[in-house]
Amino acid sequence: AQSVTQPDIHITVSEGASLELRCNYSYGATPYLFWYVQSPGQGLQLLLKYFSGDTLVQGIKGFEAEFKRSQSSFNLRKPSVHWSDAAEYFCAVGFNDMRFGAGTRLTVKP
Amino acid sequence: SQTIHQWPATLVQPVGSPLSLECTVEGTSNPNLYWYRQAAGRGLQLLFYSVGIGQISSEVPQNLSASRPQDRQFILSSKKLLLSDSGFYLCAWSVLGALRDEQFFGPGTRLTVL
Repeated sequence: AQSVTQPDIHITVSEGASLELRCNYSYGATPYLFWYVQSPGQGLQLLLKYFSGDTLVQGIKGFEAEFKRSQSSFNLRKPSVHWSDAAEYFCAVGFNDMRFGAGTRLTVKP
Repeated sequence: SQTIHQWPATLVQPVGSPLSLECTVEGTSNPNLYWYRQAAGRGLQLLFYSVGIGQISSEVPQNLSASRPQDRQFILSSKKLLLSDSGFYLCAWSVLGALRDEQFFGPGTRLTVL
């Protein structure tokens, strides 16, 4: 069955520490891949997207993601987290339509 | 540039009352339009999408309906709200013909049914 999974419901990191949010998908072929961020009470903002080509994608706000076909993964990373990065992060997969993961809530400790 | 508006921003309604949430898009033509619901601590559930005026696809059976009376207007309605309809409702658009491509989201409507 086609699906997108974010294994971590909630992650807490210290400010300045590195971050990796996991996303795995299960589709018959390589879909379009996205990461969105949602601040409390707000809509979703696109961080980055992957369609094809270079498997390391740079996004806004210092985020990057790496597509690994062999692992069906598209993990989001940031080398140094800022307090303003605290938010909900959604991985999304576009195939015949768009499907969102359940989200990972990021808490940043001072 | 394109913008997407939703109103109202917040809404408190009693059980059994009607609902009408509106979404409008500016700066683009013939967009795909979407309604999502986000319950507390949950991910996004696609409720409806539309690829054109009067064309509505429903993803899940429920107490809600959607209409698209104009190209850039998408309305979410209910005749009688249930407690379970509470949540955060997000409207989104994408370029026509790109159901699997990037979606642009509105600011959302927080609905509380009491």
